[in-house]
Amino acid sequence: GAGVSQSPRYKVAKRGQDVALRCDPISGHVSLFWYQQALGQGPEFLTYFQNEAQLDKSGLPSDRFFAERPEGSVSTLKIQRTQQEDSAVYLCASSLGQMQYNEQFFGPGTRLTVL
Amino acid sequence: GNSVTQMEGPVTLSEEAFLTINCTYTATGYPSLFWYVQYPGEGLQLLLKATKADDKGSNKGFEATYRKETTSFHLEKGSVQVSDSAVYFCALVVSIGGTSYGKLTFGQGTILTVHP
Repeated sequence: GAGVSQSPRYKVAKRGQDVALRCDPISGHVSLFWYQQALGQGPEFLTYFQNEAQLDKSGLPSDRFFAERPEGSVSTLKIQRTQQEDSAVYLCASSLGQMQYNEQFFGPGTRLTVL
Repeated sequence: GNSVTQMEGPVTLSEEAFLTINCTYTATGYPSLFWYVQYPGEGLQLLLKATKADDKGSNKGFEATYRKETTSFHLEKGSVQVSDSAVYFCALVVSIGGTSYGKLTFGQGTILTVHP
């Protein structure tokens, strides 16, 4: 079946522009995560959804970052007034359940470059 | 807080060599431990996991044992292949109060290159 998909795969933005990154999780997956991966580093947690509820947004680096999952399936990560330090790969992952040992399935990521 | 430390890379080996990638962790609760792999041009994939102390996770010839006494989860493979060339990430999830939703904390990753 289809895995997690993300779009666009690559995004170049000028500093100050707003961007929106989309994630399509595996159908039926309850949990959805966003991670940020800087070059040469491991992914870092941004936010978590259980269905449409955003239960944890402790990893969002500033109030310029906003995520939503209004119908409990597709999710969008929005970054307002992008800065150069926002350049990274943004990963989306989904899992069937809500327990710690449920496998997370990752999308290919969106590489954001802010000029 | 929670953190994962991996051995510094990159690691370069010849085919059929023995592989060890060290991973140690600190956790405020009781963690489950994972190894994820990222092949060139692909997304992160779960390689193996262990959910309690002394458990051994294994997959594709790779193994890792959850050592609570040394807070470690070292990845090993007896004979690597060229196709094992990838980036390997150690990660943990902490259960707090008996519940957790799976928020992963990753190490920085180790690049493995295997030559024929």
